[in-house]
Amino acid sequence: GQNIDQPTEMTATEGAIVQINCTYQTSGFNGLFWYQQHAGEAPTFLSYNVLDGLEEKGRFSSFLSRSKGYSYLLLKELQMKDSASYLCVPIDSNYQLIWGAGTKLIIKP
Amino acid sequence: IAGITQAPTSQILAAGRRMTLRCTQDMRHNAMYWYRQDLGLGLRLIHYSNTAGTTGKGEVPDGYSVSRANTDDFPLTLASAVPSQTSVYFCASSETSRSSYNEQFFGPGTRLTVL
Repeated sequence: GQNIDQPTEMTATEGAIVQINCTYQTSGFNGLFWYQQHAGEAPTFLSYNVLDGLEEKGRFSSFLSRSKGYSYLLLKELQMKDSASYLCVPIDSNYQLIWGAGTKLIIKP
Repeated sequence: IAGITQAPTSQILAAGRRMTLRCTQDMRHNAMYWYRQDLGLGLRLIHYSNTAGTTGKGEVPDGYSVSRANTDDFPLTLASAVPSQTSVYFCASSETSRSSYNEQFFGPGTRLTVL
């Protein structure tokens, strides 16, 4: 079966750094997205990884290890507006996006 | 308009009634999708369309139907609503469905309550 494992909830302090880990099992693999979803809103795209390594985009970075079925999202200089759910979304062999419940990140002052 | 629009924003519906949720995109994307998201859970794919004129079933298609008469519009119909269909419904689109990079863009969602 297809499976995504992320922490249900994490808490971090404004200005700090947080790493959200994701392990996945899919039928084939064609890349991985990270999406952000604020409460009551639609998901929005953050990053895309298809090759092993780190992709950096401003305060956000995403890492992928295909052999380990592992990815993480790193958020630096946390701001209150970063309070949201973060969704690790692998793409299977049929190019279907596999959605899990994500990690709810709570930022405290 | 720019992006994807959905209508209505929210709706309260009596069980047994028929309801159509509308979705329109202006990005000329080939692929479109309907998801539902229940509180605290991930998105579940209801139906999808890889291109105008074609549709397919997702993970939870029962009780729903779709049509794709043109590129821009992808309505979702509940033939006879039941309380278990209470959810937030998101429409999404992507340039293609047959590529490893097929970022999906989402509409704002429709909050549906079936009583």
